[in-house]
Order: sequence, then structure tokens, then C-alpha cells
Amino acid sequence: DGGITQSPKYLFRKEGQNVTLSCEQNLNHDAMYWYRQDPGQGLRLIYYSQIVNDFQKGDIAEGYSVSREKKESFPLTVTSAQKNPTAFYLCASSIAGQGIYEQYFGPGTRLTVT
Amino acid sequence: AQTVTQSQPEMSVQEAETVTLSCTYDTSESDYYLFWYKQPPSRQMILVIRQEAYKQQNATENRFSVNFQKAAKSFSLKISDSQLGDAAMYFCAYRSSGGGADGLTFGKGTHLIIQP
Repeated sequence: DGGITQSPKYLFRKEGQNVTLSCEQNLNHDAMYWYRQDPGQGLRLIYYSQIVNDFQKGDIAEGYSVSREKKESFPLTVTSAQKNPTAFYLCASSIAGQGIYEQYFGPGTRLTVT
Repeated sequence: AQTVTQSQPEMSVQEAETVTLSCTYDTSESDYYLFWYKQPPSRQMILVIRQEAYKQQNATENRFSVNFQKAAKSFSLKISDSQLGDAAMYFCAYRSSGGGADGLTFGKGTHLIIQP
């Protein structure tokens, strides 16, 4: 089955620690995205990537970093510089380029930092 | 920057009735894409319907249809014959059509409750 996997589903960390969230897709999509969702809020774009070894900051990139070494993978690191890291994180992928392409979402990772 | 506004934090409808969810957006672009996504309690995001701004005809997908008013920058979602499985958060989203892989700009969502 084609799709997007995110692991783990729940993640707990102590304040001051960096943590990496995994996102893998087997849809052969060039474009991948990371969004953050807070209670009562819509999704906000953190980073996106159109192609391997290239990525762009979204609206709320501060305190986050990404890499795109493989087409299938787009891991997100939440650094200790992120002031409010506790949130629900969603990864998505789509065909890149012009066109009304659907973004396919993974099941999400709930990160709790205490 | 584009913004998307959903003015109804919560809506309630009787099963089998029709409900309309509102969405307005602000943009200076003439060509763009609009989407409605559904997020049930599982939190999995599911595409409901999409609309290209240059198309005047409103998109429809089975019981779901949109009322796209480009001049008013309005993109409402109508759900006919509401079913219990329609209960979810619904998000309106905007995307530029300028090429590349721009992300989506989302509204804050409307929580839809279906009364049996």
C-alpha cells in the first residue's frame, strides 16, 4: 500500500533535548511538507521541500530543522530553541509543480515536552 | 501573505439535513487553489473537495459541494444528507498556483457535530 508513515505516534522528551520526528513516503512524490497543529488552530507550515537536497522555510521555521537526503524521507528535528514544542506534527507529500495536486498526510506524531 | 478565515468554530446539524460551512480568504493573486480537508477524531487529514480559482463552475463530490465566489473571496462547503461519519473538524485551505511546491495555508477549522 502506498502512503506516508510517521513514527512514533507519541513522543515524550525533556525540555532542552533535541528530538527528531520521522516521515517516510512511498508515493514517489517529489514534494514533502511539515505542519504543526495546536489545539483550536489550523495547521501551520514549518518547512517544505520540492526535491532532494533542497528545502524552504515555512511560516514558523524558527526552532526547527530538516534534511532531505532521500526522496522518500523528510525528517524534522525539533531543537531546544523551539519555545513551545508540545504540539501535533503532521507530514505530507504531493506531486511537485503547478497543478491542483492533493497533499497526502501521514497519521501524525504527538510530541510532548516537559 | 494569504490568510484564511473560518468564522464558525462549531456547527451542529441533524442527521440527513444540509449544512454549510463558511470560509473566506484574503489574497492579491488571481490564480490559486482552494481545498476543504476533513479531520475526524483519528486526526488523519482527508481531502474532501478542491477548486481551481480560474474555474467558474463549482466543484462537487457526491454529497459535498462548494459555493465559490471569487470576487467576494468566499469558498463555502455544503454537505447534503449529513451522516454520522461526517462528524469531524473541517479545514479550508489555500495554495498559490505559482508553481513549485508551496505549502497550504489553513483556516482554524470548524468542528461539525452531527445530531442523530
